[in-house]
Amino acid sequence: NAGVMQNPRHLVRRRGQEARLRCSPMKGHSHVYWYRQLPEEGLKFMVYLQKENIIDESGMPKERFSAEFPKEGPSILRIQQVVRGDSAAYFCASSILGQGDYGYTFGSGTRLTVV
Amino acid sequence: KNEVEQSPQNLTAQEGEFITINCSYSVGISALHWLQQHPGGGIVSLFMLSSGKKKHGRLIATINIQEKHSSLHITASHPRDSAVYICAADDGAGSYQLTFGKGTKLSVIP
Repeated sequence: NAGVMQNPRHLVRRRGQEARLRCSPMKGHSHVYWYRQLPEEGLKFMVYLQKENIIDESGMPKERFSAEFPKEGPSILRIQQVVRGDSAAYFCASSILGQGDYGYTFGSGTRLTVV
Repeated sequence: KNEVEQSPQNLTAQEGEFITINCSYSVGISALHWLQQHPGGGIVSLFMLSSGKKKHGRLIATINIQEKHSSLHITASHPRDSAVYICAADDGAGSYQLTFGKGTKLSVIP
């Protein structure tokens, strides 16, 4: 039972580069959620995806951020042209059903540092 | 939009003490989650509850729907319980967003 796998655990990018964060949901889970935790702040919802569909992206910044959950492979959170303010911990969670009816399983997070 | 408040922000306890962390929310919810986050570590889901009380080992979570309030209790606290405890409100009703409290940082001293 591998749980939710996120990689990399730590990612360092220079300003202007692209960051790709991966999330493999728990086996049997087809719903994926991304959250961001800025330093000294609480977690904030970013986006909710099912296989090949974005269900709710109301928490995503309008520019530079995108997410996908293809039919095969992990969910990807992509940040283009990173800036210092993107430095944060990004967590992924998965659930069996939408709205976490049976609870959420969280990953260990990816800590992004922009230098 | 739900507002989730936790208290206290920081809590230091002696090993063995009984600990209570409080969470209140402003809008009716379908479920309330308690999460644990160790420094530099991932997030572990402790409880999901929509009514009453749940117990797992030394951890107990209660919720009062009418008062929009939940508590997390730790009995016989231990230094390994030191972590940030986060409550999160699940609004349900078509919303896919958890609204998180800012967390309570617990330090248990031997």
